[in-house]
Amino acid sequence: AAGVIQSPRHLIKEKRETATLKCYPIPRHDTVYWYQQGPGQDPQFLISFYEKMQSDKGSIPDRFSAQQFSDYHSELNMSSLELGDSALYFCASSPGLAGGPAKNIQYFGAGTRLSVL
Amino acid sequence: AQKVTQAQTEISVVEKEDVTLDCVYETRDTTYYLFWYKQPPSGELVFLIRRNSFDEQNEISGRYSWNFQKSTSSFNFTITASQVVDSAVYFCALTGIQGAQKLVFGQGTRLTINP
Repeated sequence: AAGVIQSPRHLIKEKRETATLKCYPIPRHDTVYWYQQGPGQDPQFLISFYEKMQSDKGSIPDRFSAQQFSDYHSELNMSSLELGDSALYFCASSPGLAGGPAKNIQYFGAGTRLSVL
Repeated sequence: AQKVTQAQTEISVVEKEDVTLDCVYETRDTTYYLFWYKQPPSGELVFLIRRNSFDEQNEISGRYSWNFQKSTSSFNFTITASQVVDSAVYFCALTGIQGAQKLVFGQGTRLTINP
C-alpha cells in the first residue's frame, strides 16, 4: 500500500540558509500534519492542513511557513535557519470523514533529517 | 489542555520476557482517541493501535495487547514473549475526536530487548 512520501530524506544546511521539505500524502487523504522531533524528544506539532486550508497551528516559528497544494501535497518552508532547527521533521496524513474506521489515524512518513551547521 | 505521561524512560529486558509500557493521560474532552506508535532505530513512526474513549474493550493483536482503563486514565501496552525486533521507542499519544486534531505525544519509552 502507498505510504506518505517525504523528500528529501536528509538535508544539510548552513545557518541563515533556507530549506524546503516536501510531503506527498497517502492517496485520498485530505489532511496533512507537520511535526518536529528533536534528539531524544517526542514529536511536537507544527501545523496542519485540511482540504488545502490551514487547520491548526502549533509551536511553529514565524520563520517557517507551509501550504497544501491542489494535489494535496504539502511543503514546509524554513528560512533563516538556526542551529536549533536541526531535527527530524515528520509529515503525517489522515483520511477525512470519508475515511471510515481509519478516520483520524495519522500515518507518518519516514521523516526528513535536517542538520543545520 | 491535553497531556500524556509515560513515566518509564527506558526499559531493558531479556528476550522472551513480557513487558508492559505505561501511559497515563489528561484531557478535558469527554470523547477522544488514544494511540500507540513505534519508532524503531531507523527513525520512522509506525502506527500500532487507536482506541476511542467510549470503547473500553481490551485488544489483543498477536503478541501485543492493550489495556484501556478510563477510570484511571491509563492506556497500557503489553508485549508478550518479547523479541529483539521489538526494540524501539514507543510513544503513547492522544487527540480529540472532532475534526483534524493534532497528536499530543508522551515522552516515549525506549525499550531494549536483549538476546
